[in-house]
Amino acid sequence: AQSVTQLGSHVSVSEGALVLLRCNYSSSVPPYLFWYVQYPNQGLQLLLKYTSAATLVKGINGFEAEFKKSETSFHLTKPSAHMSDAAEYFCAVSVDETSYDKVIFGPGTSLSVIP
Amino acid sequence: SQTIHQWPATLVQPVGSPLSLECTVEGTSNPNLYWYRQAAGRGLQLLFYSVGIGQISSEVPQNLSASRPQDRQFILSSKKLLLSDSGFYLCAWRGLRGPQETQYFGPGTRLLVL
Repeated sequence: AQSVTQLGSHVSVSEGALVLLRCNYSSSVPPYLFWYVQYPNQGLQLLLKYTSAATLVKGINGFEAEFKKSETSFHLTKPSAHMSDAAEYFCAVSVDETSYDKVIFGPGTSLSVIP
Repeated sequence: SQTIHQWPATLVQPVGSPLSLECTVEGTSNPNLYWYRQAAGRGLQLLFYSVGIGQISSEVPQNLSASRPQDRQFILSSKKLLLSDSGFYLCAWRGLRGPQETQYFGPGTRLLVL
């Protein structure tokens, strides 16, 4: 069985500061990992996904995530936060890259950016 | 280009009333379609998915049902709403956009059951 935990339901950072959103997963097989962003009253948008091609994955809007098997982690980072980054972020895990009926979503982390 | 529509955007319904939420996809054929519910402060829960017309798989037992009467239409329904049905309902489809196959989400319907 797979599971995802996101440490911190709410994270606040100052504009220009480093963004770090934590995600740890549990999987009995090599996982596929995703980060999604959800802006208020909108659907989810894929930021990036890990498919074993490279451990450091670069996504849209300056975000990137690093897969660390030894730590079972896939933390999301951005060097400098912008006001427009304020949103809900979801980490997700799957045993299959494209069978989305098997994707397990984490509970989400709400990011606030302070001017 | 492919787009996904959901309506209504917001809905307030009394307990015991029926529900019908519609999702349509444009610009693609035979997509895999999904209904998710997002309760306040929680992640997404997959409710139903469909790989074709009339083909519905249910992930969790619940008060809701889904139907796919046309290739690009996916409907979420209930005969009698419960308070616990409140939440944000998202429709999604699996497809290609550029080089990447992934899941694309609609704008969602916020349902409040009173």
